[in-house]
Amino acid sequence: DGGITQSPKYLFRKEGQNVTLSCEQNLNHDAMYWYRQDPGQGLRLIYYSQIVNDFQKGDIAEGYSVSREKKESFPLTVTSAQKNPTAFYLCASSAQGVITEAFFGQGTRLTVV
Amino acid sequence: EDKVVQSPLSLVVHEGDTVTLNCSYEVTNFRSLLWYKQEKKAPTFLFMLTSSGIEKKSGRLSSILDKKELFSILNITATQTGDSAVYLCAVERGNNDMRFGAGTRLTVKP
Repeated sequence: DGGITQSPKYLFRKEGQNVTLSCEQNLNHDAMYWYRQDPGQGLRLIYYSQIVNDFQKGDIAEGYSVSREKKESFPLTVTSAQKNPTAFYLCASSAQGVITEAFFGQGTRLTVV
Repeated sequence: EDKVVQSPLSLVVHEGDTVTLNCSYEVTNFRSLLWYKQEKKAPTFLFMLTSSGIEKKSGRLSSILDKKELFSILNITATQTGDSAVYLCAVERGNNDMRFGAGTRLTVKP
């Protein structure tokens, strides 16, 4: 079955540690996105990538890093520089062209203690 | 600055009521407007709108876009408790990124 998979679903980390969230898709989509969701703020764009080996900062990129070495994978690293990392993180992908309905993963809830 | 504004932020209705959710936007290089339903975790796709004035329907849900006035509405008729969710509006820009509104939390009481 085609889809987009995020792992893990729940992640706990100590303050000051870097942590990497995984996002894999087998939909052959060119574009992939990382969003952060906090209560009352909707989804805010962290980074997006339109093609392999290329990515752009979104609205809240500070304290995060990404890579896009393969079309299928777009991992997000939450670094120790992110001041408030506890949040729900959603990864999405979409095809280029006119039909650009995005598919979302099930999300990763990160809690920093 | 690009923005997507949804209203109301929350809404409580009773089963059988009809609701209208609003989404207004100001973005550069508008490409499409999308509606999502988010119940627990991942948003699920409802509609994609690219042309003004053409209503899209799916069962009790319908949506329409006004590109002149820069808004869209999502209607839900004969609401059911299963419609309780956060409804997200997103606008896709020409550079293939999407901007989301804060969402409308709909609660349907029996």
